[in-house]
Amino acid sequence: GQQVQQSPASLVLQEGENAELQCNFSSTATQLQWFYQSPGGSLVSLLSNPSGTKHTGRLTSTTVTKERRSSLHISSSQTTDSGTYLCALNYGSSGNKLIFGIGTLLSVKP
Amino acid sequence: DPKIIQKPKYLVAVTGSEKILICEQYLGHNAMYWYRQSAKKPLEFMFSYSYQKLMDNQTASSRFQPQSSKKNHLDLQITALKPDDSATYFCASSQTGGQNTLYFGAGTRLSVL
Repeated sequence: GQQVQQSPASLVLQEGENAELQCNFSSTATQLQWFYQSPGGSLVSLLSNPSGTKHTGRLTSTTVTKERRSSLHISSSQTTDSGTYLCALNYGSSGNKLIFGIGTLLSVKP
Repeated sequence: DPKIIQKPKYLVAVTGSEKILICEQYLGHNAMYWYRQSAKKPLEFMFSYSYQKLMDNQTASSRFQPQSSKKNHLDLQITALKPDDSATYFCASSQTGGQNTLYFGAGTRLSVL
């Protein structure tokens, strides 16, 4: 079946440093999304980026579909960025049938 | 105010019992979903519903039964609970007609003893 692998498993930064998170997937999908899961557990969609480069605020995602990889760059990290970042691929023909990676746990120290 | 309400937030059950996890969304979406997150495992798709009809079921066990009494409700009934069912269950919703942004509830953390 489809697999989504994320690296690194965890990352510790000082506030102000940049973070680069990686997502590799076994087969192409119609949509790739990045989510943030707070330490309390709730999930928020950050970006949808099936191909190319997308920016929102301090986040930049680059997806190279033919190489089956995506990255999420967080610039000027803040302590409030701490949490788990999840990559998910959508294999549903309609609707949201997402296959998630296990995530990267980011900890930003003051 | 949360737009997807899941109740209860925490649930403890004994093996063999039955529980219902409640989900209501106030986003006006017609597609609703259940996902499960077990310890040290990725979030796992369980079910999708569109206009109160089952669209996709990736749960092998019939012990898991979604119930949609209203278009903004999708409850999850779990029977004959097992310790392996311990997980956080997330309800989600989205617009229909494509792969639109998915919104998640805060989850119900189920522990089966």
